[in-house]
Amino acid sequence: AQSVSQHNHHVILSEAASLELGCNYSYGGTVNLFWYVQYPGQHLQLLLKYFSGDPLVKGIKGFEAEFIKSKFSFNLRKPSVQWSDTAEYFCAVTAGNQGGKLIFGQGTELSVKP
Amino acid sequence: NAGVTQTPKFQVLKTGQSMTLQCAQDMNHNSMYWYRQDPGMGLRLIYYSASEGTTDKGEVPNGYNVSRLNKREFSLRLESAAPSQTSVYFCASSGKNYGYTFGSGTRLTVV
Repeated sequence: AQSVSQHNHHVILSEAASLELGCNYSYGGTVNLFWYVQYPGQHLQLLLKYFSGDPLVKGIKGFEAEFIKSKFSFNLRKPSVQWSDTAEYFCAVTAGNQGGKLIFGQGTELSVKP
Repeated sequence: NAGVTQTPKFQVLKTGQSMTLQCAQDMNHNSMYWYRQDPGMGLRLIYYSASEGTTDKGEVPNGYNVSRLNKREFSLRLESAAPSQTSVYFCASSGKNYGYTFGSGTRLTVV
């Protein structure tokens, strides 16, 4: 079965530090990849998505992610985080034969110190 | 505003009670989903409906039933609630190009 793994459960950074959150998936076929953010007390919001084409995807709020097919990875990056980036981040995948089901990783909680 | 509407937002149940979580979308999406969110486990798919008239089990279907009433509505029923079903439940829908939209969630506590 398809699965998604996020390596870091909780990341603590100071403002202006660079961010990279890891995401690996297990599925050998065509995939669509997503990063979602959930601010405290709110529902999920889409940060960015990859379907095909340029493996470097730019999203909202200065986030970007790189799809590396050979490593089954889709890591999220931001050059300089802000206190307002404090949230939980979820990587998610749909596989070509899974009927559009979105499978999520466990989530990474990001705390940014002012 | 277009989107996914879930009711109720909060609910407390006693063990053994039943309840139905309602979800409706107004984006003409074919597919709808129910997830539960638990700390450290991300969102796990309970049931989904790829189109009106069809439903399928997800990762954690035990203890739940669903009904795709029409294209707009997809309800989740707990027949006999258990403390292990204490969670935050999210409904979602998706259309072409996997544009997913999530509801604001239902926080359920079973005591």
